[in-house]
Amino acid sequence: DAKTTQPNSMESNEEEPVHLPCNHSTISGTDYIHWYRQLPSQGPEYVIHGLTSNVNNRMASLAIAEDRKSSTLILHRATLRDAAVYYCISDNFNKFYFGSGTKLNVKP
Amino acid sequence: DTGVSQDPRHKITKRGQNVTFRCDPISEHNRLYWYRQTLGQGPEFLTYFQNEAQLEKSRLLSDRFSAERPKGSFSTLEIQRTEQGDSAMYLCASSPATNGAQYFGPGTRLTVL
Repeated sequence: DAKTTQPNSMESNEEEPVHLPCNHSTISGTDYIHWYRQLPSQGPEYVIHGLTSNVNNRMASLAIAEDRKSSTLILHRATLRDAAVYYCISDNFNKFYFGSGTKLNVKP
Repeated sequence: DTGVSQDPRHKITKRGQNVTFRCDPISEHNRLYWYRQTLGQGPEFLTYFQNEAQLEKSRLLSDRFSAERPKGSFSTLEIQRTEQGDSAMYLCASSPATNGAQYFGPGTRLTVL
């Protein structure tokens, strides 16, 4: 099972960009990288995913290192509603293996 | 609301009882997944279906656990002879394709007394 490593927690100020790092050094060449977030008492929510190229959507951007051993989720302007646990996941034939995630705290 | 739904949202049971949870995926999603999440941890993969076929089961899924998806639509997860260690949030997700996003339901929180 491909493992991902993330910091336990991070803090950001509201309206500022946030860069959430993830290491996935054992990822295989065909595993997609997914990011999800989870609020208390809710199921995880899809944020973004990609394979090799950087990806953008309305929620965030995903920057994938050229060697694919790491990636960074970028929230361009953090809001209080972005406070959540963020999970970086390697997609092993569509089976997700979650780590403990990064708890993001957003300060007003 | 056309998202993934789960029923019940909460279940309290006594040790030794059997419980069954239901998941209704997003319509036309052919893949359905079950996960278990304990406090402070990320979700753990249990099993998944492609249409009605159960393609993989985690070693976490003991013989007391059984999952079905009889017509390739809704799915049930049954736990027999519940133990206190089964207390957790049970999450269901569905996906339209491989290497695609999974859409999670709100979960069923099980408490075994």
